[in-house]
Amino acid sequence: NAGVTQTPKFQVLKTGQSMTLQCAQDMNHNSMYWYRQDPGMGLRLIYYSASEGTTDKGEVPNGYNVSRLNKREFSLRLESAAPSQTSVYFCASSERLAGGSLAKNIQYFGAGTRLSVL
Amino acid sequence: ELKVEQNPLFLSMQEGKNYTIYCNYSTTSDRLYWYRQDPGKSLESLFVLLSNGAVKQEGRLMASLDTKARLSTLHITAAVHDLSATYFCAVGFMDSNYQLIWGAGTKLIIKP
Repeated sequence: NAGVTQTPKFQVLKTGQSMTLQCAQDMNHNSMYWYRQDPGMGLRLIYYSASEGTTDKGEVPNGYNVSRLNKREFSLRLESAAPSQTSVYFCASSERLAGGSLAKNIQYFGAGTRLSVL
Repeated sequence: ELKVEQNPLFLSMQEGKNYTIYCNYSTTSDRLYWYRQDPGKSLESLFVLLSNGAVKQEGRLMASLDTKARLSTLHITAAVHDLSATYFCAVGFMDSNYQLIWGAGTKLIIKP
């Protein structure tokens, strides 16, 4: 029962370095999401992919890029890391986007990546 | 502006007591989610509320939704230590293409 798998679990970067966070789901979900979680602020959406082949900006996209590699995989890239990007990053997936029907479309989350940028 | 506000943000209570967490949101929505997060862990779905008057219960937790008041409540009955966690509500707004807007979370500590 893998669900949503994120790698790496921990990462320390220096300012200006780049890295890619990987996410894969095995639930045959159409939609995938990247969030960041900062203390006292809940989750904020960075980017999402409603379906394979599409990506859209969320609330806080600046400094990030994403790739929906296939239906299973959705990666998040930091091209030039900054200390303000120190956070916990969560990937999530759902059958579809949340609204417009009576389907629950629950989002299932990975274990998170704890990123520190020095 | 699409906003979701939870209160309280921090709650310390004794085992056996009852309490309620409130989630207010700013505009019309057709769905609301409650999640639980244990320290250092991922988020786990608790309830999905899809219509006005919806009520869901699981063990000592009960969630309800009043879409006219734009309010959801998470009620804890006879709290036990194992319910200590941070609880989040999240709302799907049509204006945000149904992307979830999250509350800041309520950190609940239940003392034996």
